[in-house]
Amino acid sequence: QLQLVQSGAEVKKPGSSVKVSCKASGGSINSFPISWVRQAPGKGFDWMGEIIPMFGTLNYAPKFQGRVTITADKSTSTVYMELSSLRSEDTAVYFCARENKVTDYYYYMDVWGGGTTVTVSS
Amino acid sequence: EIVMTQSPATLSVSPGERATLSCRASQSITTNLAWYQQKPGQAPRLLFYAASTRATGVPARFSGSGSGAEFTLTITSLQSEDFAVYYCQHYNNWPPEFTFGPGTRVDLK
Repeated sequence: QLQLVQSGAEVKKPGSSVKVSCKASGGSINSFPISWVRQAPGKGFDWMGEIIPMFGTLNYAPKFQGRVTITADKSTSTVYMELSSLRSEDTAVYFCARENKVTDYYYYMDVWGGGTTVTVSS
Repeated sequence: EIVMTQSPATLSVSPGERATLSCRASQSITTNLAWYQQKPGQAPRLLFYAASTRATGVPARFSGSGSGAEFTLTITSLQSEDFAVYYCQHYNNWPPEFTFGPGTRVDLK
């Protein structure tokens, strides 16, 4: 059964960058889109972007365009999310999730990583 | 841009009672909707996709319904493990984007 294992918590200074990893175990994620979603403390979810590792296809949410970079290492079934120019408002739990679909139009997230807490503080 | 809203923000329910949660889209999304459950300190868990298709392992007391712009998640005979926050989510095909509702917290009355 596929599991997504994320890297550990990070504490970063404002203006710096953070890179979070998401490694698949028990299966491959190469042919499925992988999304990154974040959740600020006590808040809902913000979708950040997605990658299809097999093709390298990328889509970023307009809110994060220019600050987020999502990459994938197919050989290790690992996806990475790097967020730059960090500010206090980026303090959140960052989740990776596998996307699945019913048709080419109905996508949902059926396997989630455990989340990585990123704290931005001076 | 499609905006998702949920009501109520908080629903106080006693164990064994029925809970009805609403999700509304700002325009018709046919049945392109998923529901998730999130407990404190945990990742979300998929409950339904395509509005009413139950995900693997989801108990039958949960049901999803609706189409167009109005959707409902119903929990009959609420159990203690069902107290959580529930989110709806829509996938926009172009430009590709996932949009979540703000959530409904189901807590103990």
